[in-house]
Amino acid sequence: DAKTTQPNSMESNEEEPVHLPCNHSTISGTDYIHWYRQLPSQGPEYVIHGLTSNVNNRMASLAIAEDRKSSTLILHRATLRDAAVYYCILSPGNQFYFGTGTSLTVIP
Amino acid sequence: GAVVSQHPSRVICKSGTSVKIECRSLDFQATTMFWYRQFPKQSLMLMATSNEGSKATYEQGVEKDKFLINHASLTLSTLTVTSAHPEDSSFYICSADILGSWTQYFGPGTRLTVL
Repeated sequence: DAKTTQPNSMESNEEEPVHLPCNHSTISGTDYIHWYRQLPSQGPEYVIHGLTSNVNNRMASLAIAEDRKSSTLILHRATLRDAAVYYCILSPGNQFYFGTGTSLTVIP
Repeated sequence: GAVVSQHPSRVICKSGTSVKIECRSLDFQATTMFWYRQFPKQSLMLMATSNEGSKATYEQGVEKDKFLINHASLTLSTLTVTSAHPEDSSFYICSADILGSWTQYFGPGTRLTVL
């Protein structure tokens, strides 16, 4: 299974942009890059996913490096509700293997 | 759309008893359902993958006779923890995907406490 590396924790000020990095140097050509987030005692919530091109949706943007060995989840304006553990997951198909994720703290 | 429910949300049982957890896709038909386990302050660990009408595929190290999975319809999968012991206490989460969507939709989780 392709491995992802994320910082254990990050902090951001409220209403500031947040860039959450993920390294995946062993990614294969068929691996999709998924981002999910999880609040305490809840199931993970879908954020965004992509394969090669940058992606935008109402929640976030996903910037994928040209060599696909890293990606960055961008929250354009952090709110207190964005405080969560963010997981970057690689998947060639439909099975997900979660890494340790990044715990994001949003400071009011 | 794409809502997944789990029942119960919380269960406490005595050691040696069996516990069944239900996972339902409420507004879509799920090609595949997945079961995860999460211990406190740890990440999610995939336990098994199940397709409707087929036997589940278990991850290495997961006892298939202890964690029985039934996926009888496109909207329902159940996980039964048989002869539960305190070390089985954990947060159990299911997810479901839609063929071709490359996205999993997660349930809210079930907190199992075995006394």
